[in-house]
Amino acid sequence: NAGVTQTPKFQVLKTGQSMTLQCAQDMNHNSMYWYRQDPGMGLRLIYYSASEGTTDKGEVPNGYNVSRLNKREFSLRLESAAPSQTSVYFCASSEFRNSPLHFGNGTRLTVT
Amino acid sequence: EDQVTQSPEALRLQEGESSSLNCSYTVSGLRGLFWYRQDPGKGPEFLFTLYSAGEEKEKERLKATLTKKESFLHITAPKPEDSATYLCAVPRRTSGSRLTFGEGTQLTVNP
Repeated sequence: NAGVTQTPKFQVLKTGQSMTLQCAQDMNHNSMYWYRQDPGMGLRLIYYSASEGTTDKGEVPNGYNVSRLNKREFSLRLESAAPSQTSVYFCASSEFRNSPLHFGNGTRLTVT
Repeated sequence: EDQVTQSPEALRLQEGESSSLNCSYTVSGLRGLFWYRQDPGKGPEFLFTLYSAGEEKEKERLKATLTKKESFLHITAPKPEDSATYLCAVPRRTSGSRLTFGEGTQLTVNP
């Protein structure tokens, strides 16, 4: 049982480049989330999808877009990467909105 | 504004030396408090959910308790493998889908 799988694990981008972070869960969860984790800032919610077909902004959505492709997959896109987006990105899923989160192991992104 | 504050930021213990981590929150109408463990290079791993003051949950050497203003994670006779960062989180008053996370307590247990 893989749980939440994120790809890639590491990525280096130049300023202005674009990329998509992929996330898939095999627990049949309804809700999925994208967080970023920065030293001194803790985990901050970027976007979430309460159920298939819906997406909503979190605390720090600027510079990002998301797609809930189906119940299993939720992708995060950076259209024009900036150094301020250097961070560790975590995808998570939960059975329902207020259920415990299950996290992937993260994507470490560096923007130069 | 919803706030979650964890203390201490870092804690070093000797193996077998029991202690407690604190998580205080300002969210009114609490709809649950979550504890997670995070190992270096990994995503957070769910430990406990607490819903009401007075509730306690236990798992191996860990016991989580909840009052109206704070939660404690008690670690009894810790082992080196308990070394990790411990995070707490509460659902926001305005949206249960959004969690406010504390910055965590980095626990190191020396053999």
